[in-house]
Amino acid sequence: GNSVTQMEGPVTLSEEAFLTINCTYTATGYPSLFWYVQYPGEGLQLLLKATKADDKGSNKGFEATYRKETTSFHLEKGSVQVSDSAVYFCALLIQGAQKLVFGQGTRLTINP
Amino acid sequence: DTGVSQDPRHKITKRGQNVTFRCDPISEHNRLYWYRQTLGQGPEFLTYFQNEAQLEKSRLLSDRFSAERPKGSFSTLEIQRTEQGDSAMYLCASSSIQGANNQPQHFGDGTRLSIL
Repeated sequence: GNSVTQMEGPVTLSEEAFLTINCTYTATGYPSLFWYVQYPGEGLQLLLKATKADDKGSNKGFEATYRKETTSFHLEKGSVQVSDSAVYFCALLIQGAQKLVFGQGTRLTINP
Repeated sequence: DTGVSQDPRHKITKRGQNVTFRCDPISEHNRLYWYRQTLGQGPEFLTYFQNEAQLEKSRLLSDRFSAERPKGSFSTLEIQRTEQGDSAMYLCASSSIQGANNQPQHFGDGTRLSIL
């Protein structure tokens, strides 16, 4: 079946630290991959996406590269800010299907 | 820029009661989705519509759940005879079908349901 596994949280970092949140997937066919972010009390916001192997999605200083050989889509940011504190979800969408399959989420807290 | 709107934001009800949630998608989006998110977990797909047609339903959607999108615009999700296990955040999302199938889904802020 299709599934997403994310690194377990919570993750706590200091401001300006380097961030990596690991995400690996299992999928039939070739999925599109997404990172969504959920700030406290809000719904999910699309952070970035990649639709094929070796694509790099980027937004707001975050990046993730679609690695077909390792079935991974790790999220990275070079220098985090307090405002990046949120829950981050990795998700996949199988081409031709319509349901997003999400990982369990990783809670990130950035301390000043 | 009007996003996906959900109403109410919070609903508290007693076990056994019926509840109905509403979702207004982004106006030009043809597809509308419902997901359920329990505490500490990622959202799980419930169902989706393309225009007014309900094209897929998850096995999570028991016969106590019904969703409609009568005119292909807003949608309602009704839960009958609510149970403790129905307590969750119910998320609505919408997307367009222009271009490739993998158009991103845009989410509302959700309706949080608490069953007493």
